[in-house]
Amino acid sequence: QSVLTQPPSVSAAPGQKVTISCSGSSSNIGNNYISWYQQLPGTAPKLLIYDNNKRPSGIPDRFSGSKSGTSATLGITGLQTGDEADYYCGTWDSSLSAEVFGGGTKLTVL
Amino acid sequence: QVQLVQSGSELKKPGASVKVSCKASGYTFSTYAMNWVRQAPGQGLEWMGWINTNSGNPTYAQGFTGRFVFSLDTSVSTAYLQISSLKAEDTAVYYCARRYCSSSSCSPFDPWGQGTLVTVSS
Repeated sequence: QSVLTQPPSVSAAPGQKVTISCSGSSSNIGNNYISWYQQLPGTAPKLLIYDNNKRPSGIPDRFSGSKSGTSATLGITGLQTGDEADYYCGTWDSSLSAEVFGGGTKLTVL
Repeated sequence: QVQLVQSGSELKKPGASVKVSCKASGYTFSTYAMNWVRQAPGQGLEWMGWINTNSGNPTYAQGFTGRFVFSLDTSVSTAYLQISSLKAEDTAVYYCARRYCSSSSCSPFDPWGQGTLVTVSS
């Protein structure tokens, strides 16, 4: 049981848009920055979004992040087959004094 | 470029120990904390804790005390994860990941090592 809640899977057609939600509480998302990580099959996680909505150098603007209250959302537009991956949200939990992750969302591009 | 390179896969018997290495390059090792994250087969990410690469002081997450030890060899910019008394449920991919922490907050994990698969089986 993960501290942060994500849908297990989402799917959409190539070229379409998809959103992935991440729900938490005031001790984590509500009072700390959220990050998103992309894990392509068989590879290590890679930073996709940090500080709620910032993209590291090299990440295309098709990827976006937002936060409202105790929930966060990752958006991906112009879906490509290469976007098929597991996506994880993560943040610090001030009550647990621990980094916490969502359970991960598997994106399928149909 | 900033890179974390981990040691190769390990196959161990229950009760044995394993030591995973994570060699950093492309930055000043002591400036960034090193974290460890576990991913069991088909499961999500689980934060194990971190080690202060300046002081060598480790911090372990709940569930990772006792059999898990973080250490450093700063002379070769390498962090280590040692797991003793291995159990079948320790079978997982273990990742190291860098982050910068100030007095008030920490940056995200970036980059990550490529991962080390530890398999515990008789």
